[in-house]
Amino acid sequence: DGGITQSPKYLFRKEGQNVTLSCEQNLNHDAMYWYRQDPGQGLRLIYYSQIVNDFQKGDIAEGYSVSREKKESFPLTVTSAQKNPTAFYLCASSTPVGARNEQFFGPGTRLTVL
Amino acid sequence: KNQVEQSPQSLIILEGKNCTLQCNYTVSPFSNLRWYKQDTGRGPVSLTIMTFSENTKSNGRYTATLDADTKQSSLHITASQLSDSASYICVVSARGSTLGRLYFGRGTQLTVWP
Repeated sequence: DGGITQSPKYLFRKEGQNVTLSCEQNLNHDAMYWYRQDPGQGLRLIYYSQIVNDFQKGDIAEGYSVSREKKESFPLTVTSAQKNPTAFYLCASSTPVGARNEQFFGPGTRLTVL
Repeated sequence: KNQVEQSPQSLIILEGKNCTLQCNYTVSPFSNLRWYKQDTGRGPVSLTIMTFSENTKSNGRYTATLDADTKQSSLHITASQLSDSASYICVVSARGSTLGRLYFGRGTQLTVWP
């Protein structure tokens, strides 16, 4: 899992609650990403950050929020506005964009809404 | 529209046999193509990465090929082992994107039986 940690591994949430997923990396990477993975679908980009204190929406940002106060950390908050939050969430990081910009993934957090 | 299509969706083989997974893409302009292995409940791990000028890349029993003219790639697994059971994801990167934008296939679920 290459120096990227995600916690918790499993998370249960009641409807109407906000929850925050943790992502930490010690690879000294500038860029970090959050993806959502649903059964039978490819990974979909939620948010990304290329530098500290800056982040951009991905393809499915509605109902999610992020912060990037430190280079090592990129937490994701799943808000009550997210209509179908049950999924597997993956965090990734990469070196600055280049010809071989390779993303390293964390072990994932499985979120279940009860 | 930038897309990555993988086939077959699922595959079952006997231990010790070889297999080949396919990936077709329409991503343009092309930067590089990667194959990831994802064990159930874990994050994807990179197997190979190929740029436009590379048409084959090996990593142990895994050999990836790339035909940039036909926009096709394959991943060949030799002498399969039980531990090869996983989802294999083809990922294509678009050149020129400040994000280092990645396009993900839905994956091929490989099961190796003893």
